[in-house]
Amino acid sequence: SQQGEEDPQALSIQEGENATMNCSYKTSINNLQWYRQNSGRGLVHLILIRSNEREKHSGRLRVTLDTSKKSSSLLITASREADTASYFCATARPSNDYKLSFGAGTTVTVRA
Amino acid sequence: DVKVTQSSRYLVKRTGEKVFLECVQDMDHENMFWYRQDPGLGLRLIYFSYDVKMKEKGDIPEGYSVSREKKERFSLILESASTNQTSMYLCAITSPGTARETQYFGPGTRLLVL
Repeated sequence: SQQGEEDPQALSIQEGENATMNCSYKTSINNLQWYRQNSGRGLVHLILIRSNEREKHSGRLRVTLDTSKKSSSLLITASREADTASYFCATARPSNDYKLSFGAGTTVTVRA
Repeated sequence: DVKVTQSSRYLVKRTGEKVFLECVQDMDHENMFWYRQDPGLGLRLIYFSYDVKMKEKGDIPEGYSVSREKKERFSLILESASTNQTSMYLCAITSPGTARETQYFGPGTRLLVL
């Protein structure tokens, strides 16, 4: 069942700008992960944040998690054309942390 | 590096045909997954396997079966393909150890059923 929902569905920004996308989910989680998918390819894992963490960084990526609001955000700073992709959040429930529930994704287009 | 390969990138089949999609990993990973991806619906789990000959239904198993005779190979079988099974199919594995919650994906198979 689809647990996460991303917002917005699509985002178009200029190179160098920041891109922010949000994910909301319904039930308690063990961790939340973000994945990227380039057109027609498989997904690539970006970052994992655990339920007891509030913020995590990896390079130009910043993820926040608010378990009281059941939401997460992914910020990509100083975007590049190569960041053009679809981004998915995925949640792992406490009872079964190797099964993930994915949202429908946010499509990001970075214009040169 | 973790490597997950899928037997075909593109596949065209006729309604009623039996279709085999194969996923092969190059490491000794236990957990393997099959998803389908459709626009606006994200990824939905069809089946997963946590060991040889062990399998568990995901969220949408109807119309599909799986086979895992060897640890490195996980096959998805469409017993009698239908047009509503036209989709992108993605195989994934999890890595043992501290990163076991992270999934590694194959490149995907885009299946068209006519």
